[in-house]
Amino acid sequence: KNQVEQSPQSLIILEGKNCTLQCNYTVSPFSNLRWYKQDTGRGPVSLTIMTFSENTKSNGRYTATLDADTKQSSLHITASQLSDSASYICVVSYNTNAGKSTFGDGTTLTVKP
Amino acid sequence: KAGVTQTPRYLIKTRGQQVTLSCSPISGHRSVSWYQQTPGQGLQFLFEYFSETQRNKGNFPGRFSGRQFSNSRSEMNVSTLELGDSALYLCASSKDINSGNTIYFGEGSWLTVV
Repeated sequence: KNQVEQSPQSLIILEGKNCTLQCNYTVSPFSNLRWYKQDTGRGPVSLTIMTFSENTKSNGRYTATLDADTKQSSLHITASQLSDSASYICVVSYNTNAGKSTFGDGTTLTVKP
Repeated sequence: KAGVTQTPRYLIKTRGQQVTLSCSPISGHRSVSWYQQTPGQGLQFLFEYFSETQRNKGNFPGRFSGRQFSNSRSEMNVSTLELGDSALYLCASSKDINSGNTIYFGEGSWLTVV
């Protein structure tokens, strides 16, 4: 069964600190992995998308890594800001078809001043 | 350019009623997908449309249906509403059906069933 597990479920950090969110998946065959940021009450916004051959991708202060062998991905946030407070969702696609995706339940990040 | 537009933004319905939600994709995007998001279940895939044809469907009962028009705009319908249908319904669009494309989400329609 295709599954995506994210950890931790929630995280509180102080402004300016770094943090790392984890995503483990059992999706097969693997097509791509995406990280989304979702502010409360808003639609998700794409941060990164990685294919099998990519092991690192950055988007500003966000850096995603992918280890296709261990089926793990991480999202590292550098020098956190209050605006980083959101839910971060990992999505793994097992087919080139967009509908063939498995969503993680997300990690809720709270950045405090 | 304009993003994905969903209407209505908020609505309240009574059990047993039906509801229709609308989604206008980004101009030039031909693939539209729908998702249900609840606090306990996270994001759940409902269905995906491309060129007016449903290409994929999630594990939802037949009360959930959708369609896509020739201009790529899409609607989803939920009949015989149940309390458990209360959720944020998100629409997303992408250029085509390839999952390698970036998917852009709308702000969602908040449905409350009472």
